[in-house]
Amino acid sequence: DGGITQSPKYLFRKEGQNVTLSCEQNLNHDAMYWYRQDPGQGLRLIYYSQIVNDFQKGDIAEGYSVSREKKESFPLTVTSAQKNPTAFYLCASSMEAGALHFGNGTRLTVT
Amino acid sequence: AQSVTQLDSQVPVFEEAPVELRCNYSSSVSVYLFWYVQYPNQGLQLLLKYLSGSTLVKGINGFEAEFNKSQTSFHLRKPSVHISDTAEYFCAVRRGQSTSYGKLTFGQGTILTVHP
Repeated sequence: DGGITQSPKYLFRKEGQNVTLSCEQNLNHDAMYWYRQDPGQGLRLIYYSQIVNDFQKGDIAEGYSVSREKKESFPLTVTSAQKNPTAFYLCASSMEAGALHFGNGTRLTVT
Repeated sequence: AQSVTQLDSQVPVFEEAPVELRCNYSSSVSVYLFWYVQYPNQGLQLLLKYLSGSTLVKGINGFEAEFNKSQTSFHLRKPSVHISDTAEYFCAVRRGQSTSYGKLTFGQGTILTVHP
């Protein structure tokens, strides 16, 4: 079955360390997205990519970086510059004009 | 830019009762509208979407929503809820251009709790 795979499901890191969250899709979707979810704040867009080797900043891109070297993959790096990195991170993909399909998320805890 | 307001942060309801989750949006251009459901520690699942055409949209699990352009609303309804409907529900909006991917803007979510 096609879908989006995010790994790992839970991730723990020490403050000051960079960490990379994986997102892979086999839906053949062109566009991919990263959202951050915090309790009571809904989902906020971090970065999105409409095509390989191109991506745009979302509303809260500071302290994050992405790459899109392959259509199927859109990894997110949470850098040490991100002041409050502990959150639930959701990856999604879509076809043109379509709804977003989401992965099951990665819960990142930084202490 | 688009914005979304979900008017209730929590909605408690008894099993088999009807429910309405309210969503209002703000946009100066035409929009596409979506409702998603999220169960604990999982991703979001699409319930239904409005792109064009009939303003009454039917989705999965017996949910439906009505697009009201004059009131800029897209309220979600279900005539009889089940315990399994307990979850968080998100309304989302994006620019209504069929040739553009566009990004979704989400509301802050409504937690629906169904009591036996």
